Amino acid sequence: GAVVSQHPSWVICKSGTSVKIECRSLDFQATTMFWYRQFPKQSLMLMATSNEGSKATYEQGVEKDKFLINHASLTLSTLTVTSAHPEDSSFYICSARLGQVASPLHFGNGTRLTVT
Amino acid sequence: RKEVEQDPGPFNVPEGATVAFNCTYSNSASQSFFWYRQDCRKEPKLLMSVYSSGNEDGRFTAQLNRASQYISLLIRDSKLSDSATYLCVVSGTGGFKTIFGAGTRLFVKA
Repeated sequence: GAVVSQHPSWVICKSGTSVKIECRSLDFQATTMFWYRQFPKQSLMLMATSNEGSKATYEQGVEKDKFLINHASLTLSTLTVTSAHPEDSSFYICSARLGQVASPLHFGNGTRLTVT
Repeated sequence: RKEVEQDPGPFNVPEGATVAFNCTYSNSASQSFFWYRQDCRKEPKLLMSVYSSGNEDGRFTAQLNRASQYISLLIRDSKLSDSATYLCVVSGTGGFKTIFGAGTRLFVKA
């Protein structure tokens, strides 16, 4: 069964609005979660690493003020796309590890964001 | 050079065929290796981990060659349901980030 749950699965919003995406670890604590973005026919791109109780670590080129990450508990990380624009339309996926650092990542089901 | 490189696709094969994917990685400190499968408009799902001694799971066989820094995935007796994108993933410790290959698209046709 799924070990990481993501919500919503899809969202359509208007330009200028903000969208919050939730990522939950099921039945395990995740001190670290990862947020990815994937454009059509392209590979997964790591956006940021979400750290419980501290600031997220953003990848180069990812605007931290636009993509707000909050990891307030050991089972929940949220990504808020602020002032969304059509170019932010993409597939956003979170992931977490069930075990130690070398263990595989488990992904949420992803959120398809369309900004009109 | 990309940190993780995969065979360019797409691969178009008939049902029942055997198909092999290769993947090379550049960081010799890499410690963990995986193959994921991603269906269209879905999240990646772990297919199998790759162990130094090689490992098999049903029709799927994964191999690791640390000296040459490549991993492979062999699919025997291809099924229509094997059609997907296969992602090579490399990970490590000590701040090493998990790196995803760009993926290889497989089409299995009747």
